[in-house]
Amino acid sequence: SQQGEEDPQALSIQEGENATMNCSYKTSINNLQWYRQNSGRGLVHLILIRSNEREKHSGRLRVTLDTSKKSSSLLITASRAADTASYFCATVKGGFKTIFGAGTRLFVKA
Amino acid sequence: NAGVTQTPKFQVLKTGQSMTLQCAQDMNHNSMYWYRQDPGMGLRLIYYSASEGTTDKGEVPNGYNVSRLNKREFSLRLESAAPSQTSVYFCASSELDRDDYGYTFGSGTRLTVV
Repeated sequence: SQQGEEDPQALSIQEGENATMNCSYKTSINNLQWYRQNSGRGLVHLILIRSNEREKHSGRLRVTLDTSKKSSSLLITASRAADTASYFCATVKGGFKTIFGAGTRLFVKA
Repeated sequence: NAGVTQTPKFQVLKTGQSMTLQCAQDMNHNSMYWYRQDPGMGLRLIYYSASEGTTDKGEVPNGYNVSRLNKREFSLRLESAAPSQTSVYFCASSELDRDDYGYTFGSGTRLTVV
C-alpha cells in the first residue's frame, strides 16, 4: 500500500502566488522528505523534516509536519515560472523503506 | 559534475530481449537503489544495495536482477523484457544508514518494451 499520498494531484497558479501541497501517510515515520522533478529529469531533494520537528524552512520553502494527523504540507512562497514541476513526498520509516507518493503537478503561469 | 549517471537514456526492446541498465555515482555513497516510475504512481523500489557486496529486493523485484559491481556501480538487468516493464527507471544513491539524508537521483532511463 502506498504510504505517502499528495493532494492535490495538480495545481495551477499565477506567478507570485503561494503554492501549497499536502501529503498524508498511514504509519509512523522517522522523517518525511520533499522532492521536485522537472519534466524528463530525475528527482531533486528539497527538504527533510524529522518526526520530532513541526516546521522547517529553506529559502522560499516551508514544510510542516503533523504526526498526530499523519500529514505534511509544502508551501512555496512567491512562486516563479521556474517552480513548475512535480513535487513528491517521501516517507522514511527506517532501514531502506522509503516510499514515494504519486506527486502533485504544479504549473506556475507567468 | 558530482552525481548519479545512468545509461542509456532511452531504449526500445522487443518482448523477450534482455538488457542491462547501468548506474554509477561519484559521491562515495554506500547505498544505491533502483526505482521505476509509472504514470500516476509514485516511485516503486525494485532493488537496493545497502553497501558494496549486498543487494536486497524492494517492492517490485520480479523480472529484474541487480549487480553491485563495486562501490560506484549498480546495474539492473532485465533478462526477458515484457511490455509491463515499460517504464522510466531511476537509479539513486544515499549515505549508508542515514535515513536523515536525502537521495541523489540520476536523470532516468526511458524504456519501452514492444
